[in-house]
Amino acid sequence: AQSVTQLGSHVSVSEGALVLLRCNYSSSVPPYLFWYVQYPNQGLQLLLKYTSAATLVKGINGFEAEFKKSETSFHLTKPSAHMSDAAEYFCAVSERNTDKLIFGTGTRLQVFP
Amino acid sequence: DTAVSQTPKYLVTQMGNDKSIKCEQNLGHDTMYWYKQDSKKFLKIMFSYNNKELIINETVPNRFSPKSPDKAHLNLHINSLELGDSAVYFCASSPPGTSWETQYFGPGTRLLVL
Repeated sequence: AQSVTQLGSHVSVSEGALVLLRCNYSSSVPPYLFWYVQYPNQGLQLLLKYTSAATLVKGINGFEAEFKKSETSFHLTKPSAHMSDAAEYFCAVSERNTDKLIFGTGTRLQVFP
Repeated sequence: DTAVSQTPKYLVTQMGNDKSIKCEQNLGHDTMYWYKQDSKKFLKIMFSYNNKELIINETVPNRFSPKSPDKAHLNLHINSLELGDSAVYFCASSPPGTSWETQYFGPGTRLLVL
C-alpha cells in the first residue's frame, strides 16, 4: 500500500526565510503526489500536484515542489516566507485507479516577524 | 459562489444521538468523498461515491451511512454517536475516475460528542 511520511510536525521560520517542508512517499508504482494547505478553521486547498509530467512543479502562492524518484521525495519549498503562509500543510499520494488520497500527518508552519 | 458546501458547520450533541451532515457541490463533479480529520489533524478517507454509486468504504463502522440522492449531494448519517466520533468531517468532490484529479474540499463540519 502507498503511504506518505511528513518529517517534522512543526516548522518555524522567520518572515523572508526559506520554507522547506519535507514529504517522502512509499509506492511500488509511479505515484501522483499532492500538497494541500489548510488555513485555520478552513477546508483544504490544493497548492500543487505532480502527475508525471515535469518533475519541478510550481503551485500557487509562490510554492513549488520537486519530485525526486531516487529519493522518493516530494518536498515543498518557497524562497521567502510570508506571515500569511502560516497554516497546516499536507502531503498526499493518490492510489492509481482508486481516486483515494492518502494523506501524511501534516506539518504546521509558523512564520515569525 | 461556494463550490463545496457543508451544513452544519458546527454540531454539538450527546452520546447515543443520531445526526446527519449534508454536503453539496456545484462543480458538476461525478465523484464525492467524506474524510475524517481527528484531533491530531490526521485526515483519512471514509467513503467515496461516483455518480451516486459507492466506490470506497474504508472499514468505517456501520453506524456511519452515506447517502447520495443525486450526484451533487453526499450526506453522512451517523447513528448512536460515540465520544470517538468527535472530529472534523470534510466533504470533497472531484472529476470522475482519474486519480490525478484535484479534490475540492468543503469547509468542514466540526462534530463534538459529549
